[in-house]
Amino acid sequence: AQRVTQPEKLLSVFKGAPVELKCNYSYSGSPELFWYVQYSRQRLQLLLRHISRESIKGFTADLNKGETSFHLKKPFAQEEDSAMYYCALRGTGNQFYFGTGTSLTVIP
Amino acid sequence: GAVVSQHPSRVICKSGTSVKIECRSLDFQATTMFWYRQFPKQSLMLMATSNEGSKATYEQGVEKDKFLINHASLTLSTLTVTSAHPEDSSFYICSAREDPNTGELFFGEGSRLTVL
Repeated sequence: AQRVTQPEKLLSVFKGAPVELKCNYSYSGSPELFWYVQYSRQRLQLLLRHISRESIKGFTADLNKGETSFHLKKPFAQEEDSAMYYCALRGTGNQFYFGTGTSLTVIP
Repeated sequence: GAVVSQHPSRVICKSGTSVKIECRSLDFQATTMFWYRQFPKQSLMLMATSNEGSKATYEQGVEKDKFLINHASLTLSTLTVTSAHPEDSSFYICSAREDPNTGELFFGEGSRLTVL
């Protein structure tokens, strides 16, 4: 069965420090993974997807099939990065399964 | 990006009544919409996949008769919580894909249901 695990519910870093939000997955097929973000009082929105291999707002995420991970990284955190981050996996039936989320707080 | 709208954003009802939540794709057609439930400080739990013109596909553990889903058109899906009870109080979120190939989901703003 598919599963997405985000081990950290809360994460605090100082402004300018590197940040890494962890995501591990369990999936029998070839996974398609995403990071979604929810800023305060806003709806969920796509941050990035592994297929695109792009950097959005300074964030990157690399799919590591050997470790079944898709960690989200940013070298220098900014205050505006404070938000709730969800890792998501797209299943065979096109459903999306979300991790429990990590609340990131960037301390000024 | 594409816009998904939910209505109502908040609803309070008495125990035993039924509540309907609408999800609309405003500027695109969505053959598939997804309904999620979010508990406080917890993740989004996929409830069901709503397919236009056919029956919804429910996730394991979700009662079909309790959570009725209708996807009558390419821009509208509805979730009806039947005979609501306090334990049904939650935040319900719908989402849709504009382009099946990109996989990007667009989310509604959510509907908070409180059952007294």
